[in-house]
Amino acid sequence: NAGVTQTPKFQVLKTGQSMTLQCAQDMNHNSMYWYRQDPGMGLRLIYYSASEGTTDKGEVPNGYNVSRLNKREFSLRLESAAPSQTSVYFCASSEYGGYTDTQYFGPGTRLTVL
Amino acid sequence: AQSVTQLGSHVSVSEGALVLLRCNYSSSVPPYLFWYVQYPNQGLQLLLKYTSAATLVKGINGFEAEFKKSETSFHLTKPSAHMSDAAEYFCAVSERDSNYQLIWGAGTKLIIKP
Repeated sequence: NAGVTQTPKFQVLKTGQSMTLQCAQDMNHNSMYWYRQDPGMGLRLIYYSASEGTTDKGEVPNGYNVSRLNKREFSLRLESAAPSQTSVYFCASSEYGGYTDTQYFGPGTRLTVL
Repeated sequence: AQSVTQLGSHVSVSEGALVLLRCNYSSSVPPYLFWYVQYPNQGLQLLLKYTSAATLVKGINGFEAEFKKSETSFHLTKPSAHMSDAAEYFCAVSERDSNYQLIWGAGTKLIIKP
């Protein structure tokens, strides 16, 4: 079991460029999440997908789009990157998305926008 | 809105000493509470969680936390620190008002002195 995998691990973009962060899980989980982590701010939820075919905005969705491609894969797209999007991005999954569920995290993508 | 406060962005203890990391939440309704750990350059992993069963919760690696409703706290402790405990620790809560999404504290970096 690989758990939650993310690609790429590192990325440098110029302002205005676009990119897609990929996430996949092999635990047959229903719910998936995208977070960003900034120093001193903990994790902030960007988007989540409670189940295949559904997506919802989290706390900080502006400037991002997501696609739940199938049960395994949940991608995050930056259409026009801005320096404020420099961050570490984590994908996570949980079995049902319930309030007692454990979330399982990928290793993260470090994104720098110049 | 629910908020989570972790007192101290950095906590330094000597190897073998007691570890105490503090977490307070703001909800008047007892939420569900989690501690996650993030080792350097890795994703987060669950240490322990409180889901309204026993108020003293035991987790992995010798950590435990006690839910105190009267103090709205869920502090994390370990009797004897080990060098391998050096990491960043995050407290999180979930509750009905947040649509059961996790609300995260800002994190506490635990430093172990030899």
